[in-house]
Amino acid sequence: AQSVAQPEDQVNVAEGNPLTVKCTYSVSGNPYLFWYVQYPNRGLQFLLKYITGDNLVKGSYGFEAEFNKSQTSFHLKKPSALVSDSALYFCAVSPSDNYGQNFVFGPGTRLSVLP
Amino acid sequence: EAGVVQSPRYKIIEKKQPVAFWCNPISGHNTLYWYRQNLGQGPELLIRYENEEAVDDSQLPKDRFSAERLKGVDSTLKIQPAELGDSAVYLCASSLVGYNEQFFGPGTRLTVL
Repeated sequence: AQSVAQPEDQVNVAEGNPLTVKCTYSVSGNPYLFWYVQYPNRGLQFLLKYITGDNLVKGSYGFEAEFNKSQTSFHLKKPSALVSDSALYFCAVSPSDNYGQNFVFGPGTRLSVLP
Repeated sequence: EAGVVQSPRYKIIEKKQPVAFWCNPISGHNTLYWYRQNLGQGPELLIRYENEEAVDDSQLPKDRFSAERLKGVDSTLKIQPAELGDSAVYLCASSLVGYNEQFFGPGTRLTVL
């Protein structure tokens, strides 16, 4: 069975500084990996995904993530954080032999960007 | 393009009462999901539909939860009777078959007193 860990409940970063939100996963076979963001009282919004190919994936709002197969990680990054990036971030994994249908989400990491 | 629509947005009921949530997916999306999100946790899949067929309901507590997706479009999730532990946000999502991104609705926040 697949699983996702987000080792940090909370990440604080100053506006303008780079940010990293960590994610590690466990799945049989090749993974499909995703990042979603959730703002208060809103549903989850898709940020980016890794399916195959280049290990560095670029997504919405200037976010990117790097797939590292040997470390089974998919950390989310942004070169310069904005206060408006403050939200709850979820990493998700799915086995590639299931067309990405059955997602398993991590517990989430709350990002706070301080002005 | 309209997103996933859910109603109601909030519901407060007493334990042992029934409750129902409604979801209308993005037009043309064959796959529909219901998730439960407890406070401080990630969403957990309850049931997945491909058109009218429930293809994965292994995590649905079938003694009190039921769902339907008549005509393969909108869907209803029901709890009867509700328990205190059912308090959570119930999220609906949809996707195209064979595609990976799921598009989420705003959710229904259920409070059971």
